[in-house]
Amino acid sequence: GENVEQHPSTLSVQEGDSAVIKCTYSDSASNYFPWYKQELGKGPQLIIDIRSNVGEKKDQRIAVTLNKTAKHFSLHITETQPEDSAVYFCALNSGYSTLTFGKGTMLLVSP
Amino acid sequence: ETGVTQSPTHLIKTRGQQVTLRCSSQSGHNTVSWYQQALGQGPQFIFQYYREEENGRGNFPPRFSGLQFPNYSSELNVNALELDDSALYLCASSPWDSQETQYFGPGTRLLVL
Repeated sequence: GENVEQHPSTLSVQEGDSAVIKCTYSDSASNYFPWYKQELGKGPQLIIDIRSNVGEKKDQRIAVTLNKTAKHFSLHITETQPEDSAVYFCALNSGYSTLTFGKGTMLLVSP
Repeated sequence: ETGVTQSPTHLIKTRGQQVTLRCSSQSGHNTVSWYQQALGQGPQFIFQYYREEENGRGNFPPRFSGLQFPNYSSELNVNALELDDSALYLCASSPWDSQETQYFGPGTRLLVL
């Protein structure tokens, strides 16, 4: 099945810094790439997504970039805040409407 | 707008028992997907239901089964529980015209002893 590699597994930044998480994939048929934020004890929350017909999408402090040729996509968080601390998962659609997830990145933002 | 809800929040079972988990989809959503999330891992797709029919299945044995009801709510049933079934079970709902855009509930934490 589809494999999604997510890096880094942990990321520590100071408040106000930027954070970047990258995912690579192999199935060129995938055309939908969401990012989820999961806080302790909660379900994953969809924070941003991108489709293959665009290269970048931005929503306030978060942005996602997609390089379909190189088969990687990245989450960018600017001006990080302590409440951004959580586990972030990349995902992509495989088999039409099912999602395959990366293993997650634990982001810690220190005040 | 009501989000995805799941019950129960926590459950403890013993090996060999059977369990039923429940999910109510977000208002306006008619597709429900179930995922298993082991500790420290990303969610893994179990199956998806649309119009009360299974609409795709991941690499899980037949003892994992499901149902979807006319009001789009859904159940996940697991028979003959094994220790490795201990995990967070997540339900996600999506609209019919964008089934890959999935919104998750809070999950049910299952512990098998």
